[in-house]
Amino acid sequence: EADIYQTPRYLVIGTGKKITLECSQTMGHDKMYWYQQDPGMELHLIHYSYGVNSTEKGDLSSESTVSRIRTEHFPLTLESARPSHTSQYLCASSEGGAGSYNEQFFGPGTRLTVL
Amino acid sequence: AQSVSQHNHHVILSEAASLELGCNYSYGGTVNLFWYVQYPGQHLQLLLKYFSGDPLVKGIKGFEAEFIKSKFSFNLRKPSVQWSDTAEYFCALGSGGYNKLIFGAGTRLAVHP
Repeated sequence: EADIYQTPRYLVIGTGKKITLECSQTMGHDKMYWYQQDPGMELHLIHYSYGVNSTEKGDLSSESTVSRIRTEHFPLTLESARPSHTSQYLCASSEGGAGSYNEQFFGPGTRLTVL
Repeated sequence: AQSVSQHNHHVILSEAASLELGCNYSYGGTVNLFWYVQYPGQHLQLLLKYFSGDPLVKGIKGFEAEFIKSKFSFNLRKPSVQWSDTAEYFCALGSGGYNKLIFGAGTRLAVHP
């Protein structure tokens, strides 16, 4: 079944650790996105990708980095986690070319807590 | 700057009551507007979208939304809510091309039987 997956679902980690949040989709979508959401707040776009080897920073500045080596995989990495990184991270994907708007399909999210 | 504002953070209704959730946006260009819903324990999913044409848009599960350009609004409505409509609802604006979205803060709806 075509879907979008995120692992881990929950992560509690100490300050200074390197972490990678995984996101994979089986829908063959070219576009993928990472959003950050604090409780009761808006989802903010932090990274997006139009396709393999293409990554861009989103509207909200983030210390995280992303890579897109394969169409289906869009991992997010924090080299040194800090308590300010505590948040929920949502991955999404969509079809479509430049200038078009299509439905974004979301994963279940990763809830990150940095102690 | 482009933005989306949702007026109600929490709404509590009884079953069969009518629902209207407010959404206002700030953007001077051609708008693409969306409502997403997140049911408890589930992924965020699309409820309905407006790109152009008829300003009254119908979505899944009996929801509809009306785009009023003069008011910069895209309010979500349902004539009669059910307990299963308990969820968080997000309004979003398509921004800057390439399918980027700007989201509102969301409205938590609780429907009591």
